[in-house]
Amino acid sequence: DIVMTQSPDSLAVSLGERATINCKSSQSVLYSPNNKNYLAWYQQKPGQPPKLLIHWASTRESGVPDRFSGSGSGTDFTLTITGLQAEDVAVYYCQQYYDTPSTTFGQGTRLEIK
Amino acid sequence: EVQLVESGGGMVQPGGSLRLSCAASGFTFSSYSMNWVRQAPGKGLEWVSYITGRSTKIYYADSVKGRFTVSRDNAKNSLYLQMNSLRVEDTAVYYCVRDESGDGPNWFDPWGQGTLVTVSS
Repeated sequence: DIVMTQSPDSLAVSLGERATINCKSSQSVLYSPNNKNYLAWYQQKPGQPPKLLIHWASTRESGVPDRFSGSGSGTDFTLTITGLQAEDVAVYYCQQYYDTPSTTFGQGTRLEIK
Repeated sequence: EVQLVESGGGMVQPGGSLRLSCAASGFTFSSYSMNWVRQAPGKGLEWVSYITGRSTKIYYADSVKGRFTVSRDNAKNSLYLQMNSLRVEDTAVYYCVRDESGDGPNWFDPWGQGTLVTVSS
């Protein structure tokens, strides 16, 4: 299975500042024939199910604020939140779906307000 | 509005069985693949099982293969997970999630609220 490793495990960022969460896969999740990275990002607020934010590494879901952006390719990916708001406090997960059906998630990154 | 509502969770002894259900509404259920994803208390996410719209492809995580069976009834807009030979490590919130891929799990959207399964003596 592809192992997804997120860093850091937790971080605290001031309101209005930028938060950066990294995700590294143990092997490339870039499928060369279509040049797509098979990676998604989710947000899980306390007591709620996860919510899809981004798929194909950088395609933001409808209704997701544009302060959320995804980047990266191959094995290294980043979720960036610019202009952090209080409602962004959550645990964030990356997921690879390249090695289907054995899709796997990162361990999660807890984001708090400093 | 797309809705997924799980039910059937509860407490069961090791070795026991439980059947989870997921009622879907707000979309053409038979057109979508579905998955079960679980989350142990305070832990991360683990994919459990996948089934295509017409049940032609079914996949399981190695951790549940041979013990869990996924099925669906498109006439009832419902997804099921039959869990047998339950172990303490199966304790988790089980989420029903929709998937647009017909060839194995892709990204998951949306997610139900989940149902808690506790395996304990």
